[in-house]
Amino acid sequence: DAKTTQPTSMDCAEGRAANLPCNHSTISGNEYVYWYRQIHSQGPQYIIHGLKNNETNEMASLIITEDRKSSTLILPHATLRDTAVYYCIVSGGTSYGKLTFGQGTILTVHP
Amino acid sequence: EPEVTQTPSHQVTQMGQEVILRCVPISNHLYFYWYRQILGQKVEFLVSFYNNEISEKSEIFDDQFSVERPDGSNFTLKIRSTKLEDSAMYFCASSAGQFQPQHFGDGTRLSIL
Repeated sequence: DAKTTQPTSMDCAEGRAANLPCNHSTISGNEYVYWYRQIHSQGPQYIIHGLKNNETNEMASLIITEDRKSSTLILPHATLRDTAVYYCIVSGGTSYGKLTFGQGTILTVHP
Repeated sequence: EPEVTQTPSHQVTQMGQEVILRCVPISNHLYFYWYRQILGQKVEFLVSFYNNEISEKSEIFDDQFSVERPDGSNFTLKIRSTKLEDSAMYFCASSAGQFQPQHFGDGTRLSIL
């Protein structure tokens, strides 16, 4: 699976958009980009995923660059409850769905 | 919304004992996974399971580990002879398809004494 690079930490004001970047320059054509988050020691929570096109759901938007080497997760109106570790994961190809978690980005939403 | 449930939430076991961690995946899901997270460390993949057999496993998943789907609803992880370093949070996940989103349970905290 392709390796991802994320900033260690980010801050965001409550009510503002949180934009979390991820680099995945070695992604291959049949690999997806997934975003999960983990709050405290709870189980990781799925947020969104995409292959080539931008995606939006009730939680977030995912913007993937045309060359697919990077992506941005957008939380449009961050709340205090969005404070968590956010993981960008590339998976697909020959794997059987295995997710390889990195250290992620610690997002802190401030009042 | 359907969810993955794991029992027990906390398991304390003596070193060398066998332990079985239980999971009930989402009912129409076909792919099942176990991950673990040692305190303060990354979430690590252990094993994936599909069509009643292991499809992929990590180096961590050695002969002391086994998985089973004993009936149509449960998915279990067995550690035969526990070691101190097996202390961790163990997460079960399931998905509807190979590259569909995985939905995780809240985990079992395993403490080996």
